[in-house]
Amino acid sequence: GENVEQHPSTLSVQEGDSAVIKCTYSDSASNYFPWYKQELGKRPQLIIDIRSNVGEKKDQRIAVTLNKTAKHFSLHITETQPEDSAVYFCAASMRSNTGKLIFGQGTTLQVKP
Amino acid sequence: DSGVTQTPKHLITATGQRVTLRCSPRSGDLSVYWYQQSLDQGLQFLIQYYNGEERAKGNILERFSAQQFPDLHSELNLSSLELGDSALYFCASSVVEGKTEAFFGQGTRLTVV
Repeated sequence: GENVEQHPSTLSVQEGDSAVIKCTYSDSASNYFPWYKQELGKRPQLIIDIRSNVGEKKDQRIAVTLNKTAKHFSLHITETQPEDSAVYFCAASMRSNTGKLIFGQGTTLQVKP
Repeated sequence: DSGVTQTPKHLITATGQRVTLRCSPRSGDLSVYWYQQSLDQGLQFLIQYYNGEERAKGNILERFSAQQFPDLHSELNLSSLELGDSALYFCASSVVEGKTEAFFGQGTRLTVV
């Protein structure tokens, strides 16, 4: 079936430390993997995405890696700051290529000052 | 501002009633997606439209229906409402199917009492 598993569900780090969130997906035909950040009561906002023809992508303190063979991808945040505290969702596009995104369950990241 | 507009922002209604949620996609976006986010839950895909046609369905209840109009705005109709339907309902849009990022609206918070 169409499924995206995300771990951990909660993550607490000290300011300045790195945070890593991992996701696995079920559909081997998935070709687009975005990450969204959602602050309390607000809309999810895209922070980075990666396509299946790329193994890694970086944008300042944020990076995403993709292992298509293992069907997993990860979000890496370095030098975390309190404003990074939010819920992070991974997602994967499904085989139908309609753009339907299936989301992981979310990770609540808390960055302690 | 993502450019995706959802109305209303808040809606309180009684069990058994019917409501309509509205979404205007970003200018130029042909694809509209609806997601449900219950309290402390992830984003559950409901349904997708592309240029007026239904393209993909998720775990959408039979009491729920949607459509996309010629001007590309979309409406999600929820009927025979139950307490468990209380949630944030998000609309997202993208230019084409599956190949570009999806932008989320600010959501409609539905409370069924």
